[in-house]
Amino acid sequence: GAGVSQSPSNKVTEKGKDVELRCDPISGHTALYWYRQSLGQGLEFLIYFQGNSAPDKSGLPSDRFSAERTGGSVSTLTIQRTQQEDSAVYLCASSLPLASTDTQYFGPGTRLTVL
Amino acid sequence: GQNIDQPTEMTATEGAIVQINCTYQTSGFNGLFWYQQHAGEAPTFLSYNVLDGLEEKGRFSSFLSRSKGYSYLLLKELQMKDSASYLCAVVDSNYQLIWGAGTKLIIKP
Repeated sequence: GAGVSQSPSNKVTEKGKDVELRCDPISGHTALYWYRQSLGQGLEFLIYFQGNSAPDKSGLPSDRFSAERTGGSVSTLTIQRTQQEDSAVYLCASSLPLASTDTQYFGPGTRLTVL
Repeated sequence: GQNIDQPTEMTATEGAIVQINCTYQTSGFNGLFWYQQHAGEAPTFLSYNVLDGLEEKGRFSSFLSRSKGYSYLLLKELQMKDSASYLCAVVDSNYQLIWGAGTKLIIKP
């Protein structure tokens, strides 16, 4: 597609369940980012993939969070044993294969609600 | 630590001009972005500054002073559709993007 796509758009889950969020970046973009945004708050960096390099996981809030990127394209963010504080909008962004000075293009986000 | 400061909320009148300020303290500097985010939507790119000075793009302009750790976004001829949050983000020496919390701009008729 022309832009970054994410699925699902909305996810409601029960506390303690695992969830998987998917991101399809723009074709040709080798840099991929995951962010989290709580209601009325700024963006919180989670993880960054750049080509075949080891991902920058410095923003992951706990070991319940993990992400992978298969074939340098689609990425999946997994949250295990979800907690109510995990409720937020999870945004994915991609950019061209240079440094972070390239514009990041955002997907529409996945709104996660943990009951 | 690294810090990006923006006002939490601003109010302006349709047709007027508004300036949204951003100050930053980061480990190094490799550019500054402004993004616009409408409620319930993802952020969209507005501007990128890496050199000092003013970049003009239609009704929107962005200014940078690296020596002062300061940027502003200037919006002219405000329209109701400009009601949104405006996010300032700085690229640090590790090429990581450090995000401000955003400024919510409310436009009144």
